[in-house]
Amino acid sequence: DQQVKQNSPSLSVQEGRISILNCDYTNSMFDYFLWYKKYPAEGPTFLISISSIKDKNEDGRFTVFLNKSAKHLSLHIVPSQPGDSAVYFCAARAQTGANNLFFGTGTRLTVIP
Amino acid sequence: EADIYQTPRYLVIGTGKKITLECSQTMGHDKMYWYQQDPGMELHLIHYSYGVNSTEKGDLSSESTVSRIRTEHFPLTLESARPSHTSQYLCASSLSGDTQYFGPGTRLTVL
Repeated sequence: DQQVKQNSPSLSVQEGRISILNCDYTNSMFDYFLWYKKYPAEGPTFLISISSIKDKNEDGRFTVFLNKSAKHLSLHIVPSQPGDSAVYFCAARAQTGANNLFFGTGTRLTVIP
Repeated sequence: EADIYQTPRYLVIGTGKKITLECSQTMGHDKMYWYQQDPGMELHLIHYSYGVNSTEKGDLSSESTVSRIRTEHFPLTLESARPSHTSQYLCASSLSGDTQYFGPGTRLTVL
């Protein structure tokens, strides 16, 4: 049973506009959330994270929002650039056990010049 | 940013062969992980280690084995490769258990 879901497999956005990538989770024990960016044939690159005690974290053009009551988080990229085109994975960490990450299936973002 | 390396990047091998996928990190991270990812799917944890001589199986059952003799080295071994093992294998490490940093991955194809 998938605990982290990214329901949009793809998203296309014009350069300069905002990209919004969404992620839902089911496990209330998740306490830390991350976004990774992945290019083909490469490993995921860490982008930004947020602890469950916060509702927003910002790093340059990237902002992550967390809505714990809705079990939903989103990644905003403003302004979007062609170099942002990649697959974006949402991940959540369990509080116990291995502290391993549970990943969504990813959203492929295409930024159109 | 962590420096974490995986070799080989690509491997095509015949059924029944023994293979070892290498993973090394130079950041002194105590926690290391192996994930498996099929195209279009999420990453699944197959092995993890909290430190030297500590290894555990992950959520996804795997016929592979791992060892952690040195902090920086976390190799994964398949004793007898099969076509069902064809996948991308990603190694990661973490200092505190928060952010995990990934290597470039090994894409394995078993014929």
